[in-house]
Amino acid sequence: DIQVTQSPSSLSASVGDRVTFTCRASQDIRNNLGWYQQRPGKAPKRLISAASSLESGVPSRFSGGGSGTEFTLTISSLQPEDFATYYCLPHVTYPLIFGPGTKVEIK
Amino acid sequence: QVQLVQSGAEAREPGASVKVSCKTSGYTFTGYYIHWVRQAPGQGLQWMGWVNPNSDGAHYAQTFQGRVTMTRDTTISTVYMELSSLTSDDTAVYFCTSNSGTYLGDYWGQGTLVSVSS
Repeated sequence: DIQVTQSPSSLSASVGDRVTFTCRASQDIRNNLGWYQQRPGKAPKRLISAASSLESGVPSRFSGGGSGTEFTLTISSLQPEDFATYYCLPHVTYPLIFGPGTKVEIK
Repeated sequence: QVQLVQSGAEAREPGASVKVSCKTSGYTFTGYYIHWVRQAPGQGLQWMGWVNPNSDGAHYAQTFQGRVTMTRDTTISTVYMELSSLTSDDTAVYFCTSNSGTYLGDYWGQGTLVSVSS
């Protein structure tokens, strides 16, 4: 099974900050990675697929990058609604394994 | 519009089974795989498996093999996830989510809380 790690596990930031967090896979997954946002008490929402392809309706302040084993999600200017937990999910083989998440909190 | 509406919260004793439904609408039922993902309190997301509404075929995570069954009823555009031999570790919110292409998560149900306690 693919092992997935995310760093940091949490971060504190202010509205307007630029933040970047990382997802690492234990094997080469090319660009087969999705990023998901989950607000408290809500279902997750897919933000990005294929490592860098923004889903329809997702604000352009979100961007994804990377390939192979290391990936990033960047929020260029944090907005109040962005305080949430972000999960990455490699989509190469089964079982699908979500990363443990990065929680973005208000400073 | 596409909607996935799940059944309500359930409480079970250890050793029992639970069956959660996910009623879909707004698209061709047989067109999207449905995955199940769960989230224990304060924890991350755990993928459980998928069901193909077109064929009733299913694929489960090894962790749940032998305890989970995912089925569908095409007459009412509904998929089901049944989990047996429940323990307190199965206490979680269970989500259904559609997959029209490579990545799951096009649309999500609202989640169903399953509580397991004696």
